[in-house]
Amino acid sequence: AQSVSQHNHHVILSEAASLELGCNYSYGGTVNLFWYVQYPGQHLQLLLKYFSGDPLVKGIKGFEAEFIKSKFSFNLRKPSVQWSDTAEYFCAVNKKDTDKLIFGTGTRLQVFP
Amino acid sequence: GAVVSQHPSRVICKSGTSVKIECRSLDFQATTMFWYRQFPKQSLMLMATSNEGSKATYEQGVEKDKFLINHASLTLSTLTVTSAHPEDSSFYICSARNRGNYGYTFGSGTRLTVV
Repeated sequence: AQSVSQHNHHVILSEAASLELGCNYSYGGTVNLFWYVQYPGQHLQLLLKYFSGDPLVKGIKGFEAEFIKSKFSFNLRKPSVQWSDTAEYFCAVNKKDTDKLIFGTGTRLQVFP
Repeated sequence: GAVVSQHPSRVICKSGTSVKIECRSLDFQATTMFWYRQFPKQSLMLMATSNEGSKATYEQGVEKDKFLINHASLTLSTLTVTSAHPEDSSFYICSARNRGNYGYTFGSGTRLTVV
């Protein structure tokens, strides 16, 4: 079945550590890719998105992601995390021939001071 | 920026009653809206795609008669949970596709508790 996978379910880091969250999808064809963040008690916020062009995408709050088409991956990175980055992170994929946005399982990030 | 308003944010209802959740795009027209369900500490599961002026498209396993979707205008979609039961308790989130920037804007969600 077509799906979006996030292999890291729960990540615990200390402040200033580097972060990389994995995201893989199994859809063929052209896709749009997204990373969303959900802070405790809040709604989803867009961190970044990839539609076309440069596969290295920079988003808000120092996050970036790299689309590697051959690996069907769109991993999220941040060089130095902060305590305020504690949240749930969701990768999402939209096939360009549909409007549906399908979410990965999510990764819970905890950053300790 | 694009804003989607979802109402109510929280609702508690008795088992067997129906609950309506509204999703409005405030500053853009949304021909397509989506309804998701999120269980605690889990991901968002797409329930259905709501199309303005036509029937909603439901994902496999989602009961059409229990989760009634109406998209009567370009700015409003509603989800009605009919004959609610405790297992329907969940967090329901709507989303609208903004064709201007190809992005998706999410509502703030509705916490439904069926007692």
